[in-house]
Amino acid sequence: GENVEQHPSTLSVQEGDSAVIKCTYSDSASNYFPWYKQELGKRPQLIIDIRSNVGEKKDQRIAVTLNKTAKHFSLHITETQPEDSAVYFCAARGNAGNMLTFGGGTRLMVKP
Amino acid sequence: DSGVTQTPKHLITATGQRVTLRCSPRSGDLSVYWYQQSLDQGLQFLIQYYNGEERAKGNILERFSAQQFPDLHSELNLSSLELGDSALYFCASSVGSGQNIQYFGAGTRLSVL
Repeated sequence: GENVEQHPSTLSVQEGDSAVIKCTYSDSASNYFPWYKQELGKRPQLIIDIRSNVGEKKDQRIAVTLNKTAKHFSLHITETQPEDSAVYFCAARGNAGNMLTFGGGTRLMVKP
Repeated sequence: DSGVTQTPKHLITATGQRVTLRCSPRSGDLSVYWYQQSLDQGLQFLIQYYNGEERAKGNILERFSAQQFPDLHSELNLSSLELGDSALYFCASSVGSGQNIQYFGAGTRLSVL
């Protein structure tokens, strides 16, 4: 089955700096890659997603890039703010139903 | 608020017991997914139902079972509970069973003592 690896597991940045989180996946048939943000004690919330026919997608300070050949995708957050502090999960969806395989998560800490 | 409702919010029980977690999907969503989130294993997919039928199965233990009812709400049954079953259990829903965004509920925190 699909395997998704996420790095780093923790990331500490200064407010205003950029943050990059990377994920690799194993199933070349995977075609949908969402990113979720989970604040402490809260539900995972979708912040951006990308489909396999697109190489990059941007939404204000957040962008995601996808390299299908290398089977990796990344989340980029620019001009980080303290409220960006949370755990971020990447996920990949294969061809079987809508099942998501999640990475292990990255705890992002933005220091004011 | 995602529109996905999970009850109860917290559940404390003893080893060997059986519990039922309930999920009501967003209005109009036909698919329901169950995930387990424990401290050391992140978010693990358990099972998906689409319009009452099982659609996909992940690493769900035989002690666990689920169903989706005609009104589309879903229940996750956990039996013969062990300490290691303590976790956050999330339900998510989506419109269809294909490439659709999954919206998560607030979760049920299960503590097995």
